[in-house]
Amino acid sequence: QVQLVQSGAEVKKPGSSVKVSCKTSGDTFDISTISWLRQAPGQGPEWMGRITPMLGIVKYAQKFQGRVTFTADKSTTTILMDLTSLRYEDTAVYYCARGGDWASNWGQGTLVTVSS
Amino acid sequence: DIQMTQSPSSLSASIGDRVTITCRANQGIAYSLAWYQQKPGKAPMLLVYGASTLENGVPSRFSGSRSGADYTLTISSLQPADFATYYCQQYYKSPLTFGGGTKVEI
Repeated sequence: QVQLVQSGAEVKKPGSSVKVSCKTSGDTFDISTISWLRQAPGQGPEWMGRITPMLGIVKYAQKFQGRVTFTADKSTTTILMDLTSLRYEDTAVYYCARGGDWASNWGQGTLVTVSS
Repeated sequence: DIQMTQSPSSLSASIGDRVTITCRANQGIAYSLAWYQQKPGKAPMLLVYGASTLENGVPSRFSGSRSGADYTLTISSLQPADFATYYCQQYYKSPLTFGGGTKVEI
């Protein structure tokens, strides 16, 4: 069973950064592409990009280009999502999910609240 | 970006009803479509990919199809566990984009 376990909720001030982690199993890390998505309150999901750790391939949605970075730590089989210059409208639940096209397994989600 | 128009935005149905949800892209997406179910406070769950391939473990009352530009998710006989919000998603071209969602209520 593929499991993705994300880090806990965060409260951040506008202009700051947030880092969300996604712990995967070894098999998942080695063979999978991991996507990051977010869902603002009352809205549908929004794709942010994807990373294929073993190939070192990363693709970001243009909307987030320059503000988001995905990295992979092989020693801990963890994927990290770093979002900078936070705005109020970045308040959302952030998800990691297995798959580069469709998302077959999702993490439990991490609520990021941007508030002054 | 490819825009996905999903309809209806909500519907009321009863146990045992046949339910149909439709998604249309503003350009061709060549069967590159997935459907998800989401319940409140939970992550979305994959139901269908490739427009009509059922994900492992998804009940057979769910099915996906395509007719021209319209992609359809059908629930053949609505069950209590099916009351949720459903989203379509295209993966034909980056950025991957989602429909606005269909809330299925009693």
